[in-house]
Amino acid sequence: AQKVTQAQTEISVVEKEDVTLDCVYETRDTTYYLFWYKQPPSGELVFLIRRNSFDEQNEISGRYSWNFQKSTSSFNFTITASQVVDSAVYFCALSDGANNLFFGTGTRLTVIP
Amino acid sequence: GAGVSQSPSNKVTEKGKDVELRCDPISGHTALYWYRQSLGQGLEFLIYFQGNSAPDKSGLPSDRFSAERTGGSVSTLTIQRTQQEDSAVYLCASRISRTEETQYFGPGTRLLVL
Repeated sequence: AQKVTQAQTEISVVEKEDVTLDCVYETRDTTYYLFWYKQPPSGELVFLIRRNSFDEQNEISGRYSWNFQKSTSSFNFTITASQVVDSAVYFCALSDGANNLFFGTGTRLTVIP
Repeated sequence: GAGVSQSPSNKVTEKGKDVELRCDPISGHTALYWYRQSLGQGLEFLIYFQGNSAPDKSGLPSDRFSAERTGGSVSTLTIQRTQQEDSAVYLCASRISRTEETQYFGPGTRLLVL
């Protein structure tokens, strides 16, 4: 069965601090995809990144970076020099390559000015 | 618009009434999904449409829930005889094809059943 765990329910940081959001997944598939989505107060889920199971290269996009480690089944997300606009709920998700996305329960990030 | 759109944005209804929620996917996207997000929870898969194939209804929580997709584009999610536990945000997503994994989400419909 597919499962995504985001153990951090809520995180608060002061602006300009770095913050890492944890994501641990479970799957028996050898081919799968991992995602991060951002859900700002407006409610719309915004796609941030997709990673397939064969590509363990870490990725950096501006202040965002992702660390994918198959050995620990983790796909963590770091925001560097956080800003107030980063305040949102962040969801990690796993696709089994068939039909479905399996979501974690999300981490609510609050960046305090 | 370029993104997934949903209507209405908010819906308040009385217990026992039927509601219809609409989703307009991104033009050209062949796959369409409905999810439910209850307060403080992750997203729960409801139903998936891919092209002209029979939909995957495995996530629908009861027979009061149904969905249609007309002409391979617009989809309507119908909840009959609504219950208070149906209160949630209903999110629609589309995907360009079966082989492209990324789903793009609409803003959701907030449903409140009184």
